[in-house]
Amino acid sequence: SQQGEEDPQALSIQEGENATMNCSYKTSINNLQWYRQNSGRGLVHLILIRSNEREKHSGRLRVTLDTSKKSSSLLITASRAADTASYFCATANSSASKIIFGSGTRLSIRP
Amino acid sequence: DVKVTQSSRYLVKRTGEKVFLECVQDMDHENMFWYRQDPGLGLRLIYFSYDVKMKEKGDIPEGYSVSREKKERFSLILESASTNQTSMYLCASSLQTGSSFEKLFFGSGTQLSVL
Repeated sequence: SQQGEEDPQALSIQEGENATMNCSYKTSINNLQWYRQNSGRGLVHLILIRSNEREKHSGRLRVTLDTSKKSSSLLITASRAADTASYFCATANSSASKIIFGSGTRLSIRP
Repeated sequence: DVKVTQSSRYLVKRTGEKVFLECVQDMDHENMFWYRQDPGLGLRLIYFSYDVKMKEKGDIPEGYSVSREKKERFSLILESASTNQTSMYLCASSLQTGSSFEKLFFGSGTQLSVL
C-alpha cells in the first residue's frame, strides 16, 4: 500500500517561477525524504527531514513537515530547465520496517 | 563517490525463464532494497534485507525471491518470468541509524521486458 501521496500528479511552470509539491502520508514516521528522478533513471536523494523538525533548506529547496496533518511540502525556488523531473516523497515509518514511496509529481519547466 | 551498480540496464527475457537481477553497493550499507516502478503506481517495495542472509517481504513479493550472501550484493530472482513482471527494477541501499532508515542510494535501474 502507498504511504505517501503526492499532489499534484503533474505540474508545468515557467522557468524562474517557484514550484510547490505536496505529500500526505498515513502513519507515524521517523523521517520523510524527497527524491528526484530524471526520465528512465534511478532516484537521487534531495533532502531528509526528521519527525521532530518543521522546516529544512538545501540550496533552492525548502521542505516543510507538519506531523499533525501528516503532510509535507517541497518548494523549489527560481526553477530551471534542469529541474524537469519526477519528484517523490518517501516515508520511513516509526517501526523502521520499511521506506515507502508515493506515486510522484511530474514537474515540467517551460523555457 | 558512493555507488550502487545494477548489472544490466536493459534485459529481454521469455515467459517462464529464470531471471537474475544483480545489485552491488560499495558503501558497506546494512540495508538493501528492491523496488519495481510502473507508470502511475510509483515505486513498490518487493523485498529488502537488513543484513547478510536476512530478508523481509515488501508489499509485492509474489513471484520473486532474493539472495544476500555477501553484504555488498543483493540479488532479485524471478523464478519463472511472466509478462506482468515487465517493469523497471530499482535497487537501493542505505545505512541504518538506530531505529531509522537514512537516505537511499539508488542504482540506475534495469528495464526488464518479458515476452
